[in-house]
Amino acid sequence: QSALTQPASVSGSPGQSITISCTGTYSDVGSYNLVSWYQQHPGKAPKLIIYEVTLRPSGISDRFSGSKSGKTASLTISGLQDEDEADYYCCSYAGSSPFPYVLGSGTKVTVL
Amino acid sequence: VQLVESGGGVVQPGRSLRLSCAASGFTFSGYAMNWVRQAPGKGLEWVAVIWYDGSNKYYADSVKGRFTISRDNSKNTLDLQMNSLRAEDTAVYYCARERTVGNHDVWGQGTTVTVSS
Repeated sequence: QSALTQPASVSGSPGQSITISCTGTYSDVGSYNLVSWYQQHPGKAPKLIIYEVTLRPSGISDRFSGSKSGKTASLTISGLQDEDEADYYCCSYAGSSPFPYVLGSGTKVTVL
Repeated sequence: VQLVESGGGVVQPGRSLRLSCAASGFTFSGYAMNWVRQAPGKGLEWVAVIWYDGSNKYYADSVKGRFTISRDNSKNTLDLQMNSLRAEDTAVYYCARERTVGNHDVWGQGTTVTVSS
């Protein structure tokens, strides 16, 4: 299983919208609506912000939204805020064997 | 709802270490559990997965044959036995609850493992 492809970095000004892409294969992203996104601030544990492609856990701002087309999933952050500056990882279910999950390489979001 | 990891430390290459994750605030036996690690300055890496009842276990290729994931549902604990440790196993290790497939909604604070002579 190869890692999902994410851009290394994305930046935007406060109030703008940014989109992070996550490209896999038809064995993972393209086969299952089981893509999740995690936000990680420096020195902190990852935090789930999107699951099952589009769903937000309770307490997550609606400024975060997810989508998928074919083998590429995307995370959009609208109304960018300073606290959104963090690393973001996508993850896809890839079937039970040999290993259930494949991760993206991570994207550093910088708020200018 | 909380997960608390313990057991990290400094260990020499080739030695063993056992990590634990104590769960509280939820019915531990109802959830699959995962270990995820992050090497210094690197991205996340999924390490191991265990089903809610321990009947199925999965390992990343990088740890297969060296690491063993286990759980004790009577004690609400998740373990990771790490043998034949290598320098590249140096990382912060997180345990995570798998609410549904692909939905890892609760994470511990992490425990640091350093493999060095």
